[in-house]
Amino acid sequence: DAMVIQNPRYQVTQFGKPVTLSCSQTLNHNVMYWYQQKSSQAPKLLFHYYDKDFNNEADTPDNFQSRRPNTSFCFLDIRSPGLGDAAMYLCATSRAQDRIITRKQFFGPGTRLTVL
Amino acid sequence: QQQVKQSPQSLIVQKGGISIINCAYENTAFDYFPWYQQFPGKGPALLIAIRPDVSEKKEGRFTISFNKSAKQFSLHIMDSQPGDSATYFCAASKYGGATNKLIFGTGTLLAVQP
Repeated sequence: DAMVIQNPRYQVTQFGKPVTLSCSQTLNHNVMYWYQQKSSQAPKLLFHYYDKDFNNEADTPDNFQSRRPNTSFCFLDIRSPGLGDAAMYLCATSRAQDRIITRKQFFGPGTRLTVL
Repeated sequence: QQQVKQSPQSLIVQKGGISIINCAYENTAFDYFPWYQQFPGKGPALLIAIRPDVSEKKEGRFTISFNKSAKQFSLHIMDSQPGDSATYFCAASKYGGATNKLIFGTGTLLAVQP
């Protein structure tokens, strides 16, 4: 089945130690998104890629970076994780060619990040 | 202007009852209003979505009611089942070319009691 895969599902890191989260998709979608979801809160968009074009949200901290080496993969790098970065990180994809009413975002299962 | 306000924060409904979750928005440029369902430990999954040119959309037991003048929309779950117990997020988006940036509401935790 076509899907959005996130690895690892659970990640524990130490305060200040860089960490990379991975997202891959078999949907061949040209748009990929990264969201941060803190406990009992709504998902918050960090940035997205349209093909190789990177789009950062204005309030995304500089501590968060992203890479998209090809259509299938996208990475979230947290350069110096703080305690406040503990959250679920969700990857999502969509197809730009779809009409807006059908432009579904397909979400992965998320990576839960713990910062010690 | 960019916020989507959602209520209630939590909801308990008896099996077979109707669950109603409400959302309100300010930005009249929004033109796409989806509802997402999220089970614990899973990513959100699209449930149903509506454009502002219609007042209601129904898919199975799930109905979106949309009031453009009041800038409000709601999700109705008919014949609620224990398997519907999850967190529900409303969202809004405005046409931005190729991408579909979603602004999510704060979520409603629904518990359907058997």
